[in-house]
Amino acid sequence: ILNVEQSPQSLHVQEGDSTNFTCSFPSSNFYALHWYRWETAKSPEALFVMTLNGDEKKKGRISATLNTKEGYSYLYIKGSQPEDSATYLCASKAAGNKLTFGGGTRVLVKP
Amino acid sequence: DAMVIQNPRYQVTQFGKPVTLSCSQTLNHNVMYWYQQKSSQAPKLLFHYYDKDFNNEADTPDNFQSRRPNTSFCFLDIRSPGLGDAAMYLCATSTGTGYEQYFGPGTRLTVT
Repeated sequence: ILNVEQSPQSLHVQEGDSTNFTCSFPSSNFYALHWYRWETAKSPEALFVMTLNGDEKKKGRISATLNTKEGYSYLYIKGSQPEDSATYLCASKAAGNKLTFGGGTRVLVKP
Repeated sequence: DAMVIQNPRYQVTQFGKPVTLSCSQTLNHNVMYWYQQKSSQAPKLLFHYYDKDFNNEADTPDNFQSRRPNTSFCFLDIRSPGLGDAAMYLCATSTGTGYEQYFGPGTRLTVT
């Protein structure tokens, strides 16, 4: 994988349901993986920065896992609420390189 | 609250008419970034400053320039905007390259 890729590009979730989506990134020379949440008309907001293989981080109902050997990270939203509606961006940094963003997963939580 | 501010939030300019977007920060961070994001695409880094050191991405067009007169302010100058430059422009800061970035709300540029 040469680029950072996120899938799906968008998803609709019923309020109360849980969901997850993927970020794939180059595993060679991996340094860090960032997740950001970007709500409409607001600034992208950092959720997690992960560096170690097997890292799991949690903030409220949102959690993320990291597999640096195979080059992927999952973001999980448990019991989705309308306020979780946003675009979720991941970004990968290789050693000595800039942060490279994926195209984002747009999440819409339906009441 | 410490933050990253971008002005204006929406900017309309004419084809070929120079335009400047501004970013300011109260975080006292060393690094300031400018990203361009087109619809549903990944934010693309244009350049960044580490303190006064300017770092241009290889594929950033010459049409895009930047100034950082002091720690707090950074400007993006588009010398001759084309229709393809219509995008969301995001400014971000961090304490160092590779660290968590703090974003402004972006400026959406329209070129007519």
